[in-house]
Amino acid sequence: AQSVSQHNHHVILSEAASLELGCNYSYGGTVNLFWYVQYPGQHLQLLLKYFSGDPLVKGIKGFEAEFIKSKFSFNLRKPSVQWSDTAEYFCAAYSGGYQKVTFGIGTKLQVIP
Amino acid sequence: DAGITQSPRHKVTETGTPVTLRCHQTENHRYMYWYRQDPGHGLRLIHYSYGVKDTDKGEVSDGYSVSRSKTEDFLLTLESATSSQTSVYFCAITRLAGKDEQYFGPGTRLTVT
Repeated sequence: AQSVSQHNHHVILSEAASLELGCNYSYGGTVNLFWYVQYPGQHLQLLLKYFSGDPLVKGIKGFEAEFIKSKFSFNLRKPSVQWSDTAEYFCAAYSGGYQKVTFGIGTKLQVIP
Repeated sequence: DAGITQSPRHKVTETGTPVTLRCHQTENHRYMYWYRQDPGHGLRLIHYSYGVKDTDKGEVSDGYSVSRSKTEDFLLTLESATSSQTSVYFCAITRLAGKDEQYFGPGTRLTVT
């Protein structure tokens, strides 16, 4: 079965630090990848997505992610985090053949002012 | 925000009682999903629908049933609620399964006592 792994479950950073959250998926072939963010008390919102083309994808609020096919990875990055980035981040993948997306268990990011 | 509403937003019920959660969309999207979100488990798919009267099971479907009699409404029923079904339930919609972002509703916090 397809799976998505997020290895960092809880990350604490100071403001202005750089961020990288890991995401790995378990299947080969064509894959669509997503990062969603859930701010405290809110629903999930899309940060960015990758379907094809340039493996470096830019999203909202200064976030970017790099698709590395050989490593089955889609890590999320931000050069300088802000307190307002405190949230839970979910990686998700779709490999076709099914009508559903698989989500990772999420990474909670806490940014300390 | 996408036009998705969930009702009720909060519910407390007793073990053994039936519960129905409603998801309503105004986007006319074909695909609708019910997830549950629990600490340490991320988002897990309960059931999904790919059209009126067309539904399928997700990874945690035991104890849940769904119905979709109209494009805009997707109902999730707990036939006999158990404490293990205490969770936050999110509905999501998408235009193209896995090939477009999912839009999430505001969530329903269900407590089974």
